[in-house]
Amino acid sequence: NAGVTQTPKFQVLKTGQSMTLQCAQDMNHEYMSWYRQDPGMGLRLIHYSVGAGITDQGEVPNGYNVSRSTTEDFPLRLLSAAPSQTSVYFCASSVRGSTDTQYFGPGTRLTVL
Amino acid sequence: AQSVTQLGSHVSVSEGALVLLRCNYSSSVPPYLFWYVQYPNQGLQLLLKYTSAATLVKGINGFEAEFKKSETSFHLTKPSAHMRDAAEYFCAVSDLRGQGGKLIFGQGTELSVKP
Repeated sequence: NAGVTQTPKFQVLKTGQSMTLQCAQDMNHEYMSWYRQDPGMGLRLIHYSVGAGITDQGEVPNGYNVSRSTTEDFPLRLLSAAPSQTSVYFCASSVRGSTDTQYFGPGTRLTVL
Repeated sequence: AQSVTQLGSHVSVSEGALVLLRCNYSSSVPPYLFWYVQYPNQGLQLLLKYTSAATLVKGINGFEAEFKKSETSFHLTKPSAHMRDAAEYFCAVSDLRGQGGKLIFGQGTELSVKP
């Protein structure tokens, strides 16, 4: 099993550009989530999904969109990048929900100029 | 609403010394609590979790944590630090509202181990 994979590892954007961060898991997990990690703030939940076709907002959803068309994939879209979105982004998955062990991807380091 | 507070953003210990990383939580219902570790330039991995069974939870790499309801604490300990324990540690609580719930993380504690 590859576990949770994320692409790209690094990305530099200009303000106003859009892009999609990819996340995939091969463990047949129902629950997937996106976090951003900023110094001194821990990880903050952006969006999460409990299965294909079902998504919900987390703590900091503004400026981000998600969709879940398959169990395996959970892409995160930045609609119009802003410098405040400079961060490290982690995707995670678990069997059913937040009470289960989360398996994290290696992260995407995003810089918005 | 659930929340987590980790006391101390940086902790430094000598190799062989006791490691104590503090975590206090706020929850209106019996909580599910977790400790995750992040090594440099990597994602997070689970150290241990409390799911309302035994109050003393043993995890990987010699770590353990004790759930104390009266103190709303879930502190992480290891009797003897090793250089490889240097990493950032996150305490988290599961917020059970909504489908699947949400995982709420503390701010993180960076552990340094001196030779």
